[in-house]
Amino acid sequence: GDSVTQMEGPVTLSEEAFLTINCTYTATGYPSLFWYVQYPGEGLQLLLKATKADDKGSNKGFEATYRKETTSFHLEKGSVQVSDSAVYFCALRDGAAGNKLTFGGGTRVLVKP
Amino acid sequence: DTAVSQTPKYLVTQMGNDKSIKCEQNLGHDTMYWYKQDSKKFLKIMFSYNNKELIINETVPNRFSPKSPDKAHLNLHINSLELGDSAVYFCASSQDATRGETQYFGPGTRLLVL
Repeated sequence: GDSVTQMEGPVTLSEEAFLTINCTYTATGYPSLFWYVQYPGEGLQLLLKATKADDKGSNKGFEATYRKETTSFHLEKGSVQVSDSAVYFCALRDGAAGNKLTFGGGTRVLVKP
Repeated sequence: DTAVSQTPKYLVTQMGNDKSIKCEQNLGHDTMYWYKQDSKKFLKIMFSYNNKELIINETVPNRFSPKSPDKAHLNLHINSLELGDSAVYFCASSQDATRGETQYFGPGTRLLVL
């Protein structure tokens, strides 16, 4: 079945540091890939997405490229802020599986001033 | 304007009780979902409805019963609550059930079973 694996946290960084969160997936079809962010005490918000190989999703300084050859969708940001402290979830949707999202385990990121 | 709303936000109850969580979306979407997030933050889909019809029903105890009175609402009823049901339950919606559609999440309902 479909699965998503992402690096375990917590990841602790200083402000303006470079952030990378690794995400790899297993899927039988051609999934769409997503990054969601969950700020403390809140629900999930879509951060970015990519629907086909080599697409790059970007939003709020975050980027991720859909790499079919390595089945990866790593999230990057060049200069993090304290406000980026949150839990980040990588997810895939395989349209053949009824549009359900399969999530990775989440990576907690803590940015210190 | 709240796109996807859930009530209540917090729910504390005793084992064995029956409780409901309500979800409403004002986005005009056709498809709605329920997800469960456990204490380790792991998220897993439970159900999905498209235009009031059940389209996804994952391996969930039959104590959990979703009900969709109309396409803007998807409620979750839980019978005979157990300690292991303690979690955060998220409702979500999307325009439809096709590939590529973004899902929008509600703020979550934190359920604690004592």
